[in-house]
Amino acid sequence: AQRVTQPEKLLSVFKGAPVELKCNYSYSGSPELFWYVQYSRQRLQLLLRHISRESIKGFTADLNKGETSFHLKKPFAQEEDSAMYYCALGGSNYKLTFGKGTLLTVNP
Amino acid sequence: KAGVTQTPRYLIKTRGQQVTLSCSPISGHRSVSWYQQTPGQGLQFLFEYFSETQRNKGNFPGRFSGRQFSNSRSEMNVSTLELGDSALYLCASRPGGYSNTGELFFGEGSRLTVL
Repeated sequence: AQRVTQPEKLLSVFKGAPVELKCNYSYSGSPELFWYVQYSRQRLQLLLRHISRESIKGFTADLNKGETSFHLKKPFAQEEDSAMYYCALGGSNYKLTFGKGTLLTVNP
Repeated sequence: KAGVTQTPRYLIKTRGQQVTLSCSPISGHRSVSWYQQTPGQGLQFLFEYFSETQRNKGNFPGRFSGRQFSNSRSEMNVSTLELGDSALYLCASRPGGYSNTGELFFGEGSRLTVL
């Protein structure tokens, strides 16, 4: 079974502070991991995926198969990063399994 | 390129009624997925269609059904509505084909309220 756990429902940091949103997954096959983001009044959109290994808006995420984790990190948070973040797991069955999301608030 | 379009955006129904939601994917995208989003359960997979074939279905009762047309547009139907069906229903499309998942492009959703 596919399972994604985001242990923090809410995360509040100050502008300029580092931020880490945690994601752990359970999957027996070869996973595809994604981070999706939903800004206020906008549609859900892809932030980054593990296979691209790129930094988007200063965010990075590394897939750790040993710890079955895919944590999202940014060294210096900005107010515009405030949003709902979802970790998602794809497998060989054409569906994404989403975590329940973490609401990130970056305070000025 | 126009994004994923869902209609209607908002609707109110009463228990026992049925509802049909529509989704037009991005031009050229042949895979359409549906998700239910609620505050308590988050995003839950309903079904995925590609070339008019349902390739996977989530753990929802048979009251939830869907279909895809030859132009890739998709509809989902919920019959005998229950209060718990109140949710935001999201449609997502991708080019589809043979990769497992890839990037999904989401619509703005259809917000269903069941009274």
